[in-house]
Amino acid sequence: DAGVIQSPRHEVTEMGQEVTLRCKPISGHDYLFWYRQTMMRGLELLIYFNNNVPIDDSGMPEDRFSAKMPNASFSTLKIQPSEPRDSAVYFCASSTWTVAEAFFGQGTRLTVV
Amino acid sequence: EDQVTQSPEALRLQEGESSSLNCSYTVSGLRGLFWYRQDPGKGPEFLFTLYSAGEEKEKERLKATLTKKESFLHITAPKPEDSATYLCAVQGELGANNLFFGTGTRLTVIP
Repeated sequence: DAGVIQSPRHEVTEMGQEVTLRCKPISGHDYLFWYRQTMMRGLELLIYFNNNVPIDDSGMPEDRFSAKMPNASFSTLKIQPSEPRDSAVYFCASSTWTVAEAFFGQGTRLTVV
Repeated sequence: EDQVTQSPEALRLQEGESSSLNCSYTVSGLRGLFWYRQDPGKGPEFLFTLYSAGEEKEKERLKATLTKKESFLHITAPKPEDSATYLCAVQGELGANNLFFGTGTRLTVIP
């Protein structure tokens, strides 16, 4: 298996634009997590899905953020409109039963100018 | 509120010079404490899970220990390939699938 695949690896966008981040989890994993990493706050859970259903989105910072998982092999995280403070590395992770031993993707580095 | 503090922020060691990384935590009902390794440009890679005070886990040159207030990651005779950021995270009873991460210790091992 190729592991968790995220795209794009890097994204630079202007403030106000819509940004969509993509994730393909490891086949057979029932859980999918979206994390955001910054120097100041470290890794923070944004939302997680179980069997394609959003379970906890309490970490989503604002209504500008939304996430979907239309099927077991694909998820998106959308920011609309984007702001400079959204600049961070966004990670997707998947696991079979617990977040603690989840496999992380390589991340998407988002820069909003 | 669950909280994790890691120290030092950065650590430079000579190859072979053993040391320890600290992770202090405050959590309501610890369900688990986890150590991850993160290389530049990559996602965190799971290393260890510790569940109760007194527990220890080992993997090659790394050994993780746990008390009621902190965890240590001991690195014995490190090699340059051990250079990475080491992250600590806790899972409390309130967040079944949420981990609270520290900001990490950036380890550099000099040949």
